[in-house]
Amino acid sequence: AQSVTQLDSQVPVFEEAPVELRCNYSSSVSVYLFWYVQYPNQGLQLLLKYLSGSTLVKGINGFEAEFNKSQTSFHLRKPSVHISDTAEYFCAVSAGGFQKLVFGTGTRLLVSP
Amino acid sequence: GAVVSQHPSRVICKSGTSVKIECRSLDFQATTMFWYRQFPKQSLMLMATSNEGSKATYEQGVEKDKFLINHASLTLSTLTVTSAHPEDSSFYICSAPPRSGSTDTQYFGPGTRLTVL
Repeated sequence: AQSVTQLDSQVPVFEEAPVELRCNYSSSVSVYLFWYVQYPNQGLQLLLKYLSGSTLVKGINGFEAEFNKSQTSFHLRKPSVHISDTAEYFCAVSAGGFQKLVFGTGTRLLVSP
Repeated sequence: GAVVSQHPSRVICKSGTSVKIECRSLDFQATTMFWYRQFPKQSLMLMATSNEGSKATYEQGVEKDKFLINHASLTLSTLTVTSAHPEDSSFYICSAPPRSGSTDTQYFGPGTRLTVL
């Protein structure tokens, strides 16, 4: 079974500052890792994913994440945030494309001017 | 890219009534679809896995007689909340893998907000 931990329930940051949203996972098998963003009253939008290969993954909207197997982490980063990045961010793991996604509890990113 | 739609986007109903939510894959066939529930300010929790042509697989703690799932075709799965009560009010989201054998991510519908009065 897999599990995901997002320790930060909320991260406040000023516009144009860098941000890191933390994600740690546990699994007894190899996993695929994902970050999703959810805007208010909307569904989920994929930011990026790690399936294999390079541990640094670049996604949409300037986000990137680094897979660290030894630390079982997949932290999300952005060098300079915008007001429009204010949203809920979910880290998720899956044992495969046809397997269910297990989500973390989410981190609310609050970007202020 | 692959698109998943849900209908309705929002529904308000009286306690005791049944509500049907549709999930459609618009440009691909989905033999499997997943149904998630999200309570306010909480994460998504998988409710069940919908399989075309066979019975759905429910997660532990989810009442299969209350949340009826029908995967009638390769592009449509429905979730019926029977005898809905206020505690069933939630955001229901479906997802589907884009193609058979794919290791790619699932595609999510926009969600359905159910409010039971």
